[in-house]
Amino acid sequence: DVKVTQSSRYLVKRTGEKVFLECVQDMDHENMFWYRQDPGLGLRLIYFSYDVKMKEKGDIPEGYSVSREKKERFSLILESASTNQTSMYLCASKLQGAGEVNEQFFGPGTRLTVL
Amino acid sequence: GQNIDQPTEMTATEGAIVQINCTYQTSGFNGLFWYQQHAGEAPTFLSYNVLDGLEEKGRFSSFLSRSKGYSYLLLKELQMKDSASYLCAALDSNYQLIWGAGTKLIIKP
Repeated sequence: DVKVTQSSRYLVKRTGEKVFLECVQDMDHENMFWYRQDPGLGLRLIYFSYDVKMKEKGDIPEGYSVSREKKERFSLILESASTNQTSMYLCASKLQGAGEVNEQFFGPGTRLTVL
Repeated sequence: GQNIDQPTEMTATEGAIVQINCTYQTSGFNGLFWYQQHAGEAPTFLSYNVLDGLEEKGRFSSFLSRSKGYSYLLLKELQMKDSASYLCAALDSNYQLIWGAGTKLIIKP
């Protein structure tokens, strides 16, 4: 079974702090994603990565950055946390596939509260 | 713009059948996913449809009509453990997923 793990289930930070959210997958997937999930809204893509050291902006990249130094690890960084970044953050990974569509596998999520 | 619509909340009775609808408008279309998400947990994959028609997988079935931009998830013989949110997501021409806000399904005994 694919396993996607996230470093924390719950995190409380103060405005202006630098925040690191870590995600690790154990199935050698090429693609990794960071989403945020807020009530009444669909999952919104922050950043994704096709391969090591590759990153692409999603729909809402402002205020975030990412790092993918190793294939299994994808980190989300909030350079200076703000209260509007209080949210559930979900990491996902997916096999790239050749001419096929594959599902995304999600981590358990990190509920971040910024005070 | 790209958009996914699904009902916010539905209620059904244990043992019954429920149909959760999803309509989509995307730039191109490469298939539609359904995911289940229990409260406080990760979404888990249920189904993927790219061709018109019904695909059955145990108690769960998913239907797609590409011409109507419409899909539904059908859950039969409802169990209490089916209480969850059901997320619809369409794959656009760039193979990016466009997500709906999810339908919270409440099962009553």
